[in-house]
Amino acid sequence: EDQVTQSPEALRLQEGESSSLNCSYTVSGLRGLFWYRQDPGKGPEFLFTLYSAGEEKEKERLKATLTKKESFLHITAPKPEDSATYLCAVQDSGGSNYKLTFGKGTLLTVNP
Amino acid sequence: NAGVMQNPRHLVRRRGQEARLRCSPMKGHSHVYWYRQLPEEGLKFMVYLQKENIIDESGMPKERFSAEFPKEGPSILRIQQVVRGDSAAYFCASSPGPGPNTGELFFGEGSRLTVL
Repeated sequence: EDQVTQSPEALRLQEGESSSLNCSYTVSGLRGLFWYRQDPGKGPEFLFTLYSAGEEKEKERLKATLTKKESFLHITAPKPEDSATYLCAVQDSGGSNYKLTFGKGTLLTVNP
Repeated sequence: NAGVMQNPRHLVRRRGQEARLRCSPMKGHSHVYWYRQLPEEGLKFMVYLQKENIIDESGMPKERFSAEFPKEGPSILRIQQVVRGDSAAYFCASSPGPGPNTGELFFGEGSRLTVL
C-alpha cells in the first residue's frame, strides 16, 4: 500500500526565513509526485508534478525536488501570503494509476 | 471560466438522514474524482467517474455510499443513513483526461458535512 509521510506537521517561520518541507513516500512504482497548497476552508490547489529522481520544479519562492524516497519543498524568503497547508501526494504506476495518495500535510505559518 | 463547483458548501444532517453532495466539473472536463478529508487525516480517494460510468469505487465504503455522474447534470455523492463518523469535508476534483498523470487535478472548495 502506498504511503506518504510529511514532516514537520507544523512550521512557523519569520518573513524572509527560508526552510524546507519534507515528504517521504513508499510506492511500488512512482508515476508522479504532486505538491498542492490548501488554504483554510478551500480545496487543494495544484503546485507541481515531479516524475523522476533528480527532477526540480520552481514557481516564485517555491522549489520542489525529488529523490527515490522523498521530496522536498524549499521555500525561499517566504512571505505571509505563503501561509497555508502544503500537501504531498503520490500516484502509483500500477493498475489504479489515477488515484492520489496524500500525506496529512504541513501547516506553514509565516509571520511578518 | 468557472472552476469546479460544489454544493452545498455546508450541510448539517441528523443521524439516519440522507446527504446529497453535488459537483459540477470544470468546463471541458469529463473526469470526476471524489475525495474525503476527515479531521486530522489526509485526503482519501473515494471514487473516480466518467460520464455515465463508475471507473473505480474502491475507496467508497461498501454500504450507504453511492456516486453517479449522469450524462446531463452534476456528479452526485449520496450518503444514506448518515452516522457521526461521516462528518468530514468532501472534495470533488476534475481533470480533462484520464487520470492525474496527465497533469494537475482541479479541486472544488468542498462540501462540509456535519452529522448531529
